[in-house]
Amino acid sequence: GAGVSQSPSNKVTEKGKDVELRCDPISGHTALYWYRQSLGQGLEFLIYFQGNSAPDKSGLPSDRFSAERTGGSVSTLTIQRTQQEDSAVYLCASSPGTSGGSFYNEQFFGPGTRLTVL
Amino acid sequence: AQKVTQAQTEISVVEKEDVTLDCVYETRDTTYYLFWYKQPPSGELVFLIRRNSFDEQNEISGRYSWNFQKSTSSFNFTITASQVVDSAVYFCALDTGRRALTFGSGTRLQVQP
Repeated sequence: GAGVSQSPSNKVTEKGKDVELRCDPISGHTALYWYRQSLGQGLEFLIYFQGNSAPDKSGLPSDRFSAERTGGSVSTLTIQRTQQEDSAVYLCASSPGTSGGSFYNEQFFGPGTRLTVL
Repeated sequence: AQKVTQAQTEISVVEKEDVTLDCVYETRDTTYYLFWYKQPPSGELVFLIRRNSFDEQNEISGRYSWNFQKSTSSFNFTITASQVVDSAVYFCALDTGRRALTFGSGTRLQVQP
């Protein structure tokens, strides 16, 4: 079946502009994650959605970052007033969510959106 | 707090050599999962393995093997008879059930022909 898809694959924007990044998770997956990968770095957790529960926003670096998930499926990560330090690859992942009460599910990652802020 | 350390930033080997990628983790939880992911040049993370904290048996899958030792908080990954296609960045990650994976900084493996 189809994997996690993200769009756009590349985004170049000017400092101060707003950007929206989209993630389409695997159908049926209830959990959705956003991570950020800066050049040469590991993955930094940003936000997590599970079903209809309130999202875990503990990883968002500033109030310029926000995300929503409509209808429990597609998610959009919005960065307002972009800064050069926001340049990174933004990765989305989905997982089946809780299974028998366990969070320990494999996460399936999308190809990422490479954001460049000039 | 959770932490994953991959001390090897970059490793270069010649094809057919064996190579071990180190991973050391920190957590106070007694129940957790450890993962290895591969990130080829295309950028998409590929799941390799998941092990839970109660299963210390080593695992082998083809040319890949994993050595999990709770006593040293390590979960090392060995590729036997490496191939050029193994060239990638490899990430070790920890899941303590707090919803997000904690990733190490990754090890870039270059396999020269």
